[in-house]
Amino acid sequence: ETGVTQTPRHLVMGMTNKKSLKCEQHLGHNAMYWYKQSAKKPLELMFVYNFKEQTENNSVPSRFSPECPNSSHLFLHLHTLQPEDSALYLCASSQDSTTSSGANVLTFGAGSRLTVL
Amino acid sequence: AQKVTQAQTEISVVEKEDVTLDCVYETRDTTYYLFWYKQPPSGELVFLIRRNSFDEQNEISGRYSWNFQKSTSSFNFTITASQVVDSAVYFCALKSSNTGKLIFGQGTTLQVKP
Repeated sequence: ETGVTQTPRHLVMGMTNKKSLKCEQHLGHNAMYWYKQSAKKPLELMFVYNFKEQTENNSVPSRFSPECPNSSHLFLHLHTLQPEDSALYLCASSQDSTTSSGANVLTFGAGSRLTVL
Repeated sequence: AQKVTQAQTEISVVEKEDVTLDCVYETRDTTYYLFWYKQPPSGELVFLIRRNSFDEQNEISGRYSWNFQKSTSSFNFTITASQVVDSAVYFCALKSSNTGKLIFGQGTTLQVKP
């Protein structure tokens, strides 16, 4: 079983809905990440949290709002999404995300498949 | 600029064939790390290997082997005697020691037919 658990695995929502994706890691890691995987595109880094502090926002639209209440939990709040936001959203964790942590391996969850109608 | 290129979008082989997945990277850093991940249909990316830029030794793990060539900025992955269970999307990734960011290639979809 993966040490990173994502829920829900599948989500269908309308453009006016508000929903949230949840990620939980059981590995004792201090850094957590959100990635977006769209068809035919490389994985796109969205947000990075290190010790609960956001250290990276990769020019993500404000309709995506992350929340990291502690080092084990990460949320992605979704509001007023567009159909092009349909994708697989992957959560990952690592020991930490400092620049000196290049060797840190990211452990990924199975993803939340989001469809925006 | 950091970049990872996996020129092969899709590869299809018959079981027991050997297959090599190519990965070429660009970086100006002297210290960096290279990774391969496997993404089966279930969705999660599974870590396969990590190499640092100072270690050019090739590595073998069972049917998997990796060829790191700094001279050509390549980090290719070979599966020997492929099996149907090897069918997945494989990602090569580069991590800079300066930025800490993990940059992925586009991925190569490998289909192994029985």
